[in-house]
Formats: sequence, C-alpha cells, structure tokens
Amino acid sequence: EAQVTQNPRYLITVTGKKLTVTCSQNMNHEYMSWYRQDPGLGLRQIYYSMNVEVTDKGDVPEGYKVSRKEKRNFPLILESPSPNQTSLYFCASSRGQARSPLHFGNGTRLTVT
Amino acid sequence: DAKTTQPPSMDCAEGRAANLPCNHSTISGNEYVYWYRQIHSQGPQYIIHGLKNNETNEMASLIITEDRKSSTLILPHATLRDTAVYYCIVRVFFGGGSQGNLIFGKGTKLSVKP
Repeated sequence: EAQVTQNPRYLITVTGKKLTVTCSQNMNHEYMSWYRQDPGLGLRQIYYSMNVEVTDKGDVPEGYKVSRKEKRNFPLILESPSPNQTSLYFCASSRGQARSPLHFGNGTRLTVT
Repeated sequence: DAKTTQPPSMDCAEGRAANLPCNHSTISGNEYVYWYRQIHSQGPQYIIHGLKNNETNEMASLIITEDRKSSTLILPHATLRDTAVYYCIVRVFFGGGSQGNLIFGKGTKLSVKP
C-alpha cells in the first residue's frame, strides 16, 4: 500500500532533549515536506526537500533540522526542543510536479514540557 | 496569508449533495485549485484538483468557474464519514522555494447530519 509513515505517533519529551521524528514513503516520490499544525494557525511548512541531498527552509524552520540522504526518508530533528514546538507534525510527499497531490502521513503529536 | 476564502462551517443532510464553495479571486493562470480534507487530527487527505476544466473522480466533483475566480467541491451523496474540515488551496506552479508550499487556510468544517 502506498503510504507515508511517521513515527512515533505520540511523543512527550522535556526541554532540551534531542529528538528525531522519522518519515518514510514508499512511492518513490522526489518531493518531501514537513508541516506543523497549531490551533488557529493552520498548517505551516517547516522544511522541504526537492530530492536527495536537496533541502530548503519553509515558513517556520527555526529550531528544526532535516536531512535527505536517501529518497524514501526525511527525518525531522529537534536538537534542543522547547515548549513552543509542542504541536502536531505532518510529513508529506509528492512526485514534485504542479499537478501532483501531496500525500500526508498520519501525524506525530509532540509535547515538550 | 491564504489565497482562498471559504465559509467557516456548513451542514449537510446525510445522503444529500454537499456543495462547498471557495473563492480564489487572485488566482493566476498557472495555479491549480486543490481540495483536501482533514478528518479529526488525521493527515490531510487529497480529494481532487483542477486547472480550468471541471473534474470528477470517485470521491467528488470540482466545478471551476470560467473566470477561475471561484470553485465548488461537490460530494454527491454525503455520508457521516464525510464530516471533516475541507481545505481549498491554490497551488503555485511548482518550481522550488516556497513555490512548492501548499498554503492551507482555515477551511470549511462540514458536518454531515443523519
């Protein structure tokens, strides 16, 4: 089944403790992206990647890192999480063309205390 | 800022057609209209997209006005499982930078009632 898989689904951590949220897609998509969703603010893009070893900042990249060493994986790294990064995170992928829809993962709910 | 305007909420009777409107008066010639929905806090689900012509798939129909300044998503026979937030999005031509971003507004919360 074609899908975008994020792990973990839920994560509670403390301020400053490095964490990684994994994202994997099995559709051979070139484009991958991370979003965060907060009440009243909608979905906002954090980082995106056009292809392997090509990443760029979205609208809210501060406090996050990403890497794209292989096509299928696009992990989101929080080196020193803070409470304002408490949010619902979504990974998405697509073939990277204007006509290609984004496929989203089921989300990771992160709480930083 | 979102480039689309949608009503914040709508109700629809189960089994009836749900017609969700969207205004995108500043759309330019190379921008597609996309519709997604989000059920509870799940990942947004792609529904349909179009450029100029009306489109239909197994989930819905998309009617785009001739001037492309507005569109309507039609769910022909709404069920309780169609209760969700529906997002109408204008997608900039894909070419790198934030042009690859989908700008999600607040969407329309559709409630399908028995």
